[in-house]
Amino acid sequence: SQQGEEDPQALSIQEGENATMNCSYKTSINNLQWYRQNSGRGLVHLILIRSNEREKHSGRLRVTLDTSKKSSSLLITASRAADTASYFCATADFGNEKLTFGTGTRLTIIP
Amino acid sequence: DVKVTQSSRYLVKRTGEKVFLECVQDMDHENMFWYRQDPGLGLRLIYFSYDVKMKEKGDIPEGYSVSREKKERFSLILESASTNQTSMYLCASSTRTGSNIQYFGAGTRLSVL
Repeated sequence: SQQGEEDPQALSIQEGENATMNCSYKTSINNLQWYRQNSGRGLVHLILIRSNEREKHSGRLRVTLDTSKKSSSLLITASRAADTASYFCATADFGNEKLTFGTGTRLTIIP
Repeated sequence: DVKVTQSSRYLVKRTGEKVFLECVQDMDHENMFWYRQDPGLGLRLIYFSYDVKMKEKGDIPEGYSVSREKKERFSLILESASTNQTSMYLCASSTRTGSNIQYFGAGTRLSVL
């Protein structure tokens, strides 16, 4: 079942601009993670935010989590051409080893 | 660095063939997963394993089976490949302690003709 739904499905911005993508989910979670996938490759873990955290930073990435709205956002600042990829959110339930992935946002950075 | 290796990047098979997709991880992870990825559908879990010889069905197990005889290796088997199994297959692993962060292989793009 698809728990996470990303919005928008696709996003194109100019290099140097900020990119924001959103994720909504349906049930209570232990943590929420964001992954990146370059075209035709596997996914790479970017950042994890726990259910008791509201915001987290890692380099040019900023993730927020609003458990009352069951939503998260990923902000990439000062985008670069190398950020062109698909981005997926994934939720982890309590006591469950599995992740549930969303359908992804395809980000294109225009040089 | 964790390394998850999938045996083939591209594979072309005929309808009805038995297909084996192999995945090996080198970090002594307890959990291993097989997903398929199709446009617009995201990643869907086929099977996962939390220990040697243990397996659990995911969301779409029909038409697939798995084998985990050794901790580092998790095989996905298509008993009789069909055209609707043409897809990108992704293997991942994670450790049981911690945060469920998964480490992925590069993927196998399977075409069934």
